[in-house]
Amino acid sequence: AQSVTQLGSHVSVSEGALVLLRCNYSSSVPPYLFWYVQYPNQGLQLLLKYTSAATLVKGINGFEAEFKKSETSFHLTKPSAHMSDAAEYFCAVSRGGTSYGKLTFGQGTILTVHP
Amino acid sequence: DAGVTQSPTHLIKTRGQQVTLRCSPKSGHDTVSWYQQALGQGPQFIFQYYEEEERQRGNFPDRFSGHQFPNYSSELNVNALLLGDSALYLCASSRGGYTEAFFGQGTRLTVV
Repeated sequence: AQSVTQLGSHVSVSEGALVLLRCNYSSSVPPYLFWYVQYPNQGLQLLLKYTSAATLVKGINGFEAEFKKSETSFHLTKPSAHMSDAAEYFCAVSRGGTSYGKLTFGQGTILTVHP
Repeated sequence: DAGVTQSPTHLIKTRGQQVTLRCSPKSGHDTVSWYQQALGQGPQFIFQYYEEEERQRGNFPDRFSGHQFPNYSSELNVNALLLGDSALYLCASSRGGYTEAFFGQGTRLTVV
């Protein structure tokens, strides 16, 4: 079975500050890992994905994440927060093959950005 | 290119009723997955359809059923609605289930 734990249901940063959203996973097989963002009353948008290539993954809007197998982590970072980054962020894991599309999500982290 | 489209956007139903939600996948996609997102929670996988058959299923009761049509669009049916079925229902499409999923805007279902 796979699971995802997102540490911190709410994270608050100042505009221009570093954003760090934490994600730890549990998987019995090499995982595929994803970060999605959800703006109010909208669906999910893919920020980035790890699929066993480079361990440092760059995504859209200046976000990146590093896969650390020894720590079973896939934390999301952005060097400088922007007001438009305020949203809810979800980490997700899936298996490979035909199970690639079956995502197991974490509980989400709401990011607030203060001026 | 239209992305994943879902209808309706909002729906209010009474306990015990049945509901049908609809999803059209992104152009070029043939696999549709459905998720339930309760308030304050992450989405939970309901099931996935490929080639008009249910290929994978999450931990949801048989009250939740689906269908995929030859044009790859899909329906989610929920029978005997419970108050706890109130949630945002998200549809995601992909190609063969091997590519990343693109999500629709969701259908907000309220059961009263």
